[in-house]
Amino acid sequence: DTEVTQTPKHLVMGMTNKKSLKCEQHMGHRAMYWYKQKAKKPPELMFVYSYEKLSINESVPSRFSPECPNSSLLNLHLHALQPEDSALYLCASSQDLKGTEETYEQYFGPGTRLTVT
Amino acid sequence: GQNIDQPTEMTATEGAIVQINCTYQTSGFNGLFWYQQHAGEAPTFLSYNVLDGLEEKGRFSSFLSRSKGYSYLLLKELQMKDSASYLCAVPNQAGTALIFGKGTTLSVSS
Repeated sequence: DTEVTQTPKHLVMGMTNKKSLKCEQHMGHRAMYWYKQKAKKPPELMFVYSYEKLSINESVPSRFSPECPNSSLLNLHLHALQPEDSALYLCASSQDLKGTEETYEQYFGPGTRLTVT
Repeated sequence: GQNIDQPTEMTATEGAIVQINCTYQTSGFNGLFWYQQHAGEAPTFLSYNVLDGLEEKGRFSSFLSRSKGYSYLLLKELQMKDSASYLCAVPNQAGTALIFGKGTTLSVSS
């Protein structure tokens, strides 16, 4: 199983709503990532978790709150978002953080298309 | 820091060969990746180069020159399904995540 799943596929939320994005992998990967991708732009790293601990936070606003309940799951909690936060949110996983090709190769989920109204 | 440059758009016809270039400046080097991303879909891994030279995988090949800070992705026998964005990426300075270039949108026509 080389699949990363994400739910929901599409999400429309108001600026006062609270919602969560979910990501799951069963490849035994110990590193998981959240990326944000705007239209016609490359993915931009938001957070990295390694062994269920937050390893990197790329200066993301606090209205985005990541959570890693266990080694297979990664959530992104959303609260008080702005319309400019509308984007494709991609989850990815890799075997580990550093070292060989295997540890760097990231498997991406299909993404959640988020629209903030 | 890491800086990556690649052309924004390229066009080609079915059956042709196309080369997508990528230049990079990095603090340290831990390899270079190419990903393919179809519109509205997630990126998928194509190749990884850490040593100089050409790596061939079927219709796709990737080349790296570390001394020149240069890589290219070569696509042969182009098919319509190869129309996609091709992303060049390098690990960040800490080696803990990927930094992506802006991507090259390839359009293949019949």
